[in-house]
Amino acid sequence: GESVGLHLPTLSVQEGDNSIINCAYSNSASDYFIWYKQESGKGPQFIIDIRSNMDKRQGQRVTVLLNKTVKHLSLQIAATQPGDSAVYFCAENIIPRGSTLGRLYFGRGTQLTVWP
Amino acid sequence: NAGVTQTPKFRVLKTGQSMTLLCAQDMNHEYMYWYRQDPGMGLRLIHYSVGEGTTAKGEVPDGYNVSRLKKQNFLLGLESAAPSQTSVYFCASTWTFRTTEAFFGQGTRLTVV
Repeated sequence: GESVGLHLPTLSVQEGDNSIINCAYSNSASDYFIWYKQESGKGPQFIIDIRSNMDKRQGQRVTVLLNKTVKHLSLQIAATQPGDSAVYFCAENIIPRGSTLGRLYFGRGTQLTVWP
Repeated sequence: NAGVTQTPKFRVLKTGQSMTLLCAQDMNHEYMYWYRQDPGMGLRLIHYSVGEGTTAKGEVPDGYNVSRLKKQNFLLGLESAAPSQTSVYFCASTWTFRTTEAFFGQGTRLTVV
């Protein structure tokens, strides 16, 4: 079942500020945690992932932090732009015991709105 | 390179009617998935396929059937539509079993009245 959840359903930030989107998880069996971005009327798009044995990974303007002690995942977006307005989902990849196929379990999403 | 294409994009069905949603990918991916997305919820896995001729159940398979006769196509069928199946349906595909970077289609908005 779903174990990935987000703290806030909406987040509003001013253009140029940094955004932090949070996610809590309960399933310690996940081997990867992933962030997806979904723009209005489109399918989710992969942003960045982090392996469960890491605590930080950086991409272009984005940083994902993983705190396994408190089972917390966050996505930081630097210098947020209007084009960053979207719903952000955290997801976890779990490979069930006896299976070779990982499955993605999605959280409920945070709507990020960037205002000028 | 079209990626993942879903047809149709919108559909309205009457309760009891049947329909098939088509997903096509041109990336030669082995793994394909069908998800549904409901308001305020994340995506939930309906069925998936690990290769041509194979299918398996996900989290919410009841009321749906799937087929993968060709590697590039993954079909989702509703034999007798119910209002509870009103949702947005997404198809996705991945290179490997490690599904972190899934490629999604644009979605099919289905309303069952």
